[in-house]
Amino acid sequence: VQLVESGGGLVQPGRSLRLSCAASGSAFADSAMHWVRQTPGKGLEWVSGITWNSGIIAYADSVRGRFTTSRDNARNSLYLQMDSLRAEDTALYYCVKVRAPTGIAGMDVWGRGTTVTVSS
Amino acid sequence: DIVMTQSPLSLPVNPGEAASISCRASQSLLHDNGNNYMDWYLQKPGQSPQLLIYLGSNRASGVPDRFSGSGSGTDFTLKISRVEAEDVGFYYCLQALQPPYTFGQGTKLEIK
Repeated sequence: VQLVESGGGLVQPGRSLRLSCAASGSAFADSAMHWVRQTPGKGLEWVSGITWNSGIIAYADSVRGRFTTSRDNARNSLYLQMDSLRAEDTALYYCVKVRAPTGIAGMDVWGRGTTVTVSS
Repeated sequence: DIVMTQSPLSLPVNPGEAASISCRASQSLLHDNGNNYMDWYLQKPGQSPQLLIYLGSNRASGVPDRFSGSGSGTDFTLKISRVEAEDVGFYYCLQALQPPYTFGQGTKLEIK
């Protein structure tokens, strides 16, 4: 499986952005997926995750109510709808596949990331 | 939230020497199923993170056997038996037990 993120860019505070992650290979539909972000020069922060069948979706407190994660297994795609963006959402966003259908243990495939910059 | 504390934050090592990184969780990561929900990741310069160890001690596919993970409950260790130049980068632990999933601060391993 390979993951390719898209949709990042420069956006003003309060506006919206939608990230997409395209997966190649058949393992996508059987795997939990997550979004993890990294701010410049800083560490990793888990943003959101979704089980294989979209049955459970979880969010970090910092994005809950503003971000929405979804997936389309028929299209091998993962999405992150980001609304009411803030300066502190500026980061490199990674799409990540888990080796299991639920949870986060063992994120074995990472995309190269897409950069989101929130600034006026 | 579970807080993950890594040490040391900086680790200079001579090639061929052993190295060890510790990670302490603010609460037990031992699940009723017997698994410890602790992962280790390495982010090499200019690259995305990569999985090294999952569920405490399971080496990911393709990871050299000089990498090993151990520990249980709240205290975990990543060991590199013989450091090579290609091992430089930032090492992160992750608690995978419950959301919000949290990473350690990262340990920068460099070659002396």
